[in-house]
Amino acid sequence: GAVVSQHPSWVICKSGTSVKIECRSLDFQATTMFWYRQFPKQSLMLMATSNEGSKATYEQGVEKDKFLINHASLTLSTLTVTSAHPEDSSFYICSARDRGGQRYNSPLHFGNGTRLTVT
Amino acid sequence: GDSVTQMEGPVTLSEEAFLTINCTYTATGYPSLFWYVQYPGEGLQLLLKATKADDKGSNKGFEATYRKETTSFHLEKGSVQVSDSAVYFCALSNSNYQLIWGAGTKLIIKP
Repeated sequence: GAVVSQHPSWVICKSGTSVKIECRSLDFQATTMFWYRQFPKQSLMLMATSNEGSKATYEQGVEKDKFLINHASLTLSTLTVTSAHPEDSSFYICSARDRGGQRYNSPLHFGNGTRLTVT
Repeated sequence: GDSVTQMEGPVTLSEEAFLTINCTYTATGYPSLFWYVQYPGEGLQLLLKATKADDKGSNKGFEATYRKETTSFHLEKGSVQVSDSAVYFCALSNSNYQLIWGAGTKLIIKP
């Protein structure tokens, strides 16, 4: 089945530094990838929609300059948390829709998530 | 706008009990419906889906039927196992390519 690889699975960084999270579709091409943030005991919050070759579309309330998204190829999207602060500590998850399944009834395939802890 | 409502958790059951997690939705048109599962320490994965009315999705002993008349997609399993302990999310995908999520229901199965 379709596999999405997300790396790293966990990362600890110091306040003020930047962290990059990679999301790769391993056996399919994804023109669209999604980035979510999950707070403890809460559902997923969509942060942004990443489109290959164009700028990401951010949800209301998400800081574009803080959460930089790049979708340079059909198999890779990256999320960079810039100047991280302790309140950015969370579980970040990416997902991708198979390019061959652009109908809205095609399911998304999720990465295993990245647990970010900012000290 | 479109929305998904699922029962609050946690739901605690004994092994081999019957499981129902309720999910209802509000949407225009004909959305597709999904159940995703998140096991402890892991990411989300698709459990099952249904794309039109009266479709039944099934996987790993779980089932859910797309009921347009009641706008529901309840998740059921006849005999749960400890390994089914996880958080279950109901979601719909609409014609705008939006994926609308329920809040998630934590399921705890005790041996």
